[in-house]
Amino acid sequence: AQKVTQAQTEISVVEKEDVTLDCVYETRDTTYYLFWYKQPPSGELVFLIRRNSFDEQNEISGRYSWNFQKSTSSFNFTITASQVVDSAVYFCALSELTGANSKLTFGKGITLSVRP
Amino acid sequence: ETGVTQTPRHLVMGMTNKKSLKCEQHLGHNAMYWYKQSAKKPLELMFVYSLEERVENNSVPSRFSPECPNSSHLFLHLHTLQPEDSALYLCASSQDAAPTYEQYFGPGTRLTVT
Repeated sequence: AQKVTQAQTEISVVEKEDVTLDCVYETRDTTYYLFWYKQPPSGELVFLIRRNSFDEQNEISGRYSWNFQKSTSSFNFTITASQVVDSAVYFCALSELTGANSKLTFGKGITLSVRP
Repeated sequence: ETGVTQTPRHLVMGMTNKKSLKCEQHLGHNAMYWYKQSAKKPLELMFVYSLEERVENNSVPSRFSPECPNSSHLFLHLHTLQPEDSALYLCASSQDAAPTYEQYFGPGTRLTVT
């Protein structure tokens, strides 16, 4: 069975600090996909990134960067120079094939508060 | 409208009521999902529809009844709910149900069962 662990539950930082959100996953599949979603106070989850299991290249998008390490089954997310608008709940998720369709398993989420 | 919309945004219902949640996606996607989000718990997948056929039903109590009349619309019919069913119900869609595709979420319906 697949599992996603986000050990940090709440993180509070001051604006402009860098912050890393950790994600560790478990799966028996060799082919799988990892995702990060952001849930601001408005409620809807916003897709941030998708990574497949064969692509271990790190990715940077503006102030966001992701570090995928298969050896440690981790897919960590770093926000550089955090801003108040980054305050949200962040979910890591794992998708693997179940029959003909995928099943997306979410971690419990990390509540990030960025103080001015 | 664009993206995924859900109505109503807030719903308060008694345990004997019958109500329905509505989801509409304007993205041309073929797969739609219902999730339940309770406080302090991970998102729980309830139902998956692919091309209007239910392909996943995660042991959800029968008091929740989904309906997908076409690929753009998804309903969740509610009857004789329990207080523990109070939660945020999120609808999502994706291009299809394969694991490659990211899901796009609506803003959710905040349900309170009294």
